[in-house]
Formats: sequence, structure tokens, C-alpha cells
Amino acid sequence: QQQVKQSPQSLIVQKGGISIINCAYENTAFDYFPWYQQFPGKGPALLIAIRPDVSEKKEGRFTISFNKSAKQFSLHIMDSQPGDSATYFCAAEQGNNDMRFGAGTRLTVKP
Amino acid sequence: KAGVTQTPRYLIKTRGQQVTLSCSPISGHRSVSWYQQTPGQGLQFLFEYFSETQRNKGNFPGRFSGRQFSNSRSEMNVSTLELGDSALYLCASKWQTSNYGYTFGSGTRLTVV
Repeated sequence: QQQVKQSPQSLIVQKGGISIINCAYENTAFDYFPWYQQFPGKGPALLIAIRPDVSEKKEGRFTISFNKSAKQFSLHIMDSQPGDSATYFCAAEQGNNDMRFGAGTRLTVKP
Repeated sequence: KAGVTQTPRYLIKTRGQQVTLSCSPISGHRSVSWYQQTPGQGLQFLFEYFSETQRNKGNFPGRFSGRQFSNSRSEMNVSTLELGDSALYLCASKWQTSNYGYTFGSGTRLTVV
């Protein structure tokens, strides 16, 4: 069922560093690519999203880079903070079909 | 603005029993989806309802069912519970039919013993 592959499974970054999480998709009909952040005991929360007609989107310290020809997209977290420690999921959606999620990346930012 | 509300937060059930989980979406959201989250399988899509109709369904056995009411509130039911059904069940709603991102509830943690 998984059509979105996410890596790495876990990531440890020093405070102030850059966190990079990568995703690859198979279905070229996907037209919406969100990233979700999940803290323990909470549901995933929409962090940032991009559509395939844009190559990059930035919101604060979070940036999505999108490569349509390679069918890949990535999340960059600049100046990573301990409060960013969470599990991050990439996802892809096609029209009215269900959203497909990557397997998740557990990010730990060390002080 | 109230978020997506799921009840109960925690449940412990015995194998063979059935369970009903409830989800109240954000006011005005007509699309409600359900996901199962487990450490090994990640977020797995169960089904989606829009205006009381099931529009999409994931690859789960028929023991998993759901419905949506006219006020967009949704319930999911799992019959004949198995140990492997232990998971966090997440409900998510969105306003439009696509491309607007989901708002998730905090989930119902189901433990089957």
C-alpha cells in the first residue's frame, strides 16, 4: 500500500544544525505533498505543504524542496532546536483519493 | 475553533469483543478519514467519508467498518477484535475534498488483551 518512501528512519542533529528528511514517491498523479509533525501522545499536525508546480516552499525555519522529475521531495529544518524533536511524516495525495504517508522519521535534536 | 475530537482516548478490550470509536470533525469539515498507526506499519489508511458516503477504503478486513452522520461526525467499529488490532486510531478531517491537508485528532489508543 505504501507509495511514499521516507528516509532516514531516525535522525540525530545538534542544536543549531540542519535536519534533512527525504521522501520519494511513485505515483506521478500525486498533486499535493504535505509534511506532518507528531509529538508523543498527539496526532500528526500539518507543518508545511507544497504542490508540484513549485520547486521550493519556505515557512520560517522549515523548507520543502521538490524535484518533480526525480519524484522526490525533502524537508529541511534550519537552526534545529530541541523543541523540534518529534516524528515527521511526509505524505502525498491525489485528488479525492486517500493520502499516503511515509513511514516516518524520528528526529532528535541534542542541546 | 475546536479541533478534531476523538473519544475515548484510551480503551482496553478483550479478544473477540467489538469496539466503537467516535470522531467529531472541525465544524464545517465534511471529509473525515480514519488511520491506524502502529510502530511497525506507520499510518495506514482505513477509510474516508464525505457527506455520509464512504468514498475511499483501505486494505483492511471487513471487521473494520465506519459511518458518518449528517452532522459529519463519524464512528468506526471493529468487530471480533484481535491482538493485532492494538494501535492508535486517528481521525482526520478537512474542509474541501482534496489538497487542503488534514487536521488530526489526538487519537484513540486501543489495546486488545
